[in-house]
Amino acid sequence: QIQLQQSGPELVKPSQTLSLTCAISGDSVSSNSAAWNWIRQSPSRGLEWLGRTYYRSKWYNDYAVSVTSRITINPDTSKNQFSLQLNSVTPEDTAVYYCARDQRWYFEVWGQGTTVTVSS
Amino acid sequence: DIQMTQSPSSLSASVGDRVTITCRASQSISSYLNWYQQKPGKAPKLLIYSASSLQSGVPSRFSGSGSGTDFTLTISSLQPEDFATYYCQQSYSTPPSFGGGTKVEIK
Repeated sequence: QIQLQQSGPELVKPSQTLSLTCAISGDSVSSNSAAWNWIRQSPSRGLEWLGRTYYRSKWYNDYAVSVTSRITINPDTSKNQFSLQLNSVTPEDTAVYYCARDQRWYFEVWGQGTTVTVSS
Repeated sequence: DIQMTQSPSSLSASVGDRVTITCRASQSISSYLNWYQQKPGKAPKLLIYSASSLQSGVPSRFSGSGSGTDFTLTISSLQPEDFATYYCQQSYSTPPSFGGGTKVEIK
């Protein structure tokens, strides 16, 4: 059974960096058939896909245009996990953040969610 | 980017009712349409993928149909555990995008 376990701070100050980690069990971050995503949800923006990392003989990343200048998603093969870094956050980045796995662009496994508040 | 529009945004129904939720894409997405159920404080759960394929473990009272731009999620006989918010999501092109949700409430 594949499970995703999220961790990271729930309060981030404006202009700082939001950092979350998603630990994978039951699968490998280096899988040749899966991709590892970050999605967020807020009342104002609904469910919003942020980006993903995946391995197909080499590592690839895709990012949403809305955050492409501020986001980094990295795999960590030694710990079988992947991370999200979102720089220069503002209160508009306040949301519930989810990690999720997809194999064909539908998200069949999700993390538990992390409520992140951007506030001083 | 492809915009997904759901209707209605909310509905009230009784246990045993047949419920239908509609999702429309801003352009043709073939059958690359997925449905999720979300309960308060929980992550979304995949119900239907590729417009009509039932995810493993999902009760058969849930079904999906449609292709092109118009899609439907049907719950044939609403159960107490089905009161939740439902989202559609297109997987035709990057970025994947979600509908605004339909909240199913108890009448």
